[in-house]
Amino acid sequence: DTGVSQNPRHKITKRGQNVTFRCDPISEHNRLYWYRQTLGQGPEFLTYFQNEAQLEKSRLLSDRFSAERPKGSFSTLEIQRTEQGDSAMYLCASSFGGANYGYTFGSGTRLTVV
Amino acid sequence: AQSVTQLDSQVPVFEEAPVELRCNYSSSVSVYLFWYVQYPNQGLQLLLKYLSGSTLVESINGFEAEFNKSQTSFHLRKPSVHISDTAEYFCAALIQGAQKLVFGQGTRLTINP
Repeated sequence: DTGVSQNPRHKITKRGQNVTFRCDPISEHNRLYWYRQTLGQGPEFLTYFQNEAQLEKSRLLSDRFSAERPKGSFSTLEIQRTEQGDSAMYLCASSFGGANYGYTFGSGTRLTVV
Repeated sequence: AQSVTQLDSQVPVFEEAPVELRCNYSSSVSVYLFWYVQYPNQGLQLLLKYLSGSTLVESINGFEAEFNKSQTSFHLRKPSVHISDTAEYFCAALIQGAQKLVFGQGTRLTINP
């Protein structure tokens, strides 16, 4: 069990560029979650996968955001045409069974849009 | 709608003093409750959770939280804090059967020597 791994740890991009983040969950965990955390706030839910199926998406996930989990293992979160308001920490978490068991979070990817 | 409120954004205490971090939730249905801790430049770690049964839950590092249904609270306490407890603490709620955690705004615990 190597934990939840997120790459990159930091990303600085110019406004209008596309960025992609990767999350590798704990191998036996079938559920994967993406959250966004802005400065001074708690994490906000973005989306959730059970195996390869994306089962829930937040209204925060605008058309510029897309998430995939093609083989039910790692996941990617892509942001197209980034805006300064996208600057945040993007957190990935995974769980085995339901969320009531508690998530295991990764260390996050900090995105700065300049 | 479900919401979680952490009443204090910052709590400074002296080392070895007791501390209470307050959390209230609002939900029209039954919820599970969690406390997560976030150390600087790290992800969130599960500290403790209430699912059912005894209303008092404990963590391995001396924290405890009590579920109070009538007051819709889940306050976190520790009788004697250490410098290493310096971190941000997040309370979270999960509607039973759902997968989405709703987090409070966080409380930054600062321990002064």
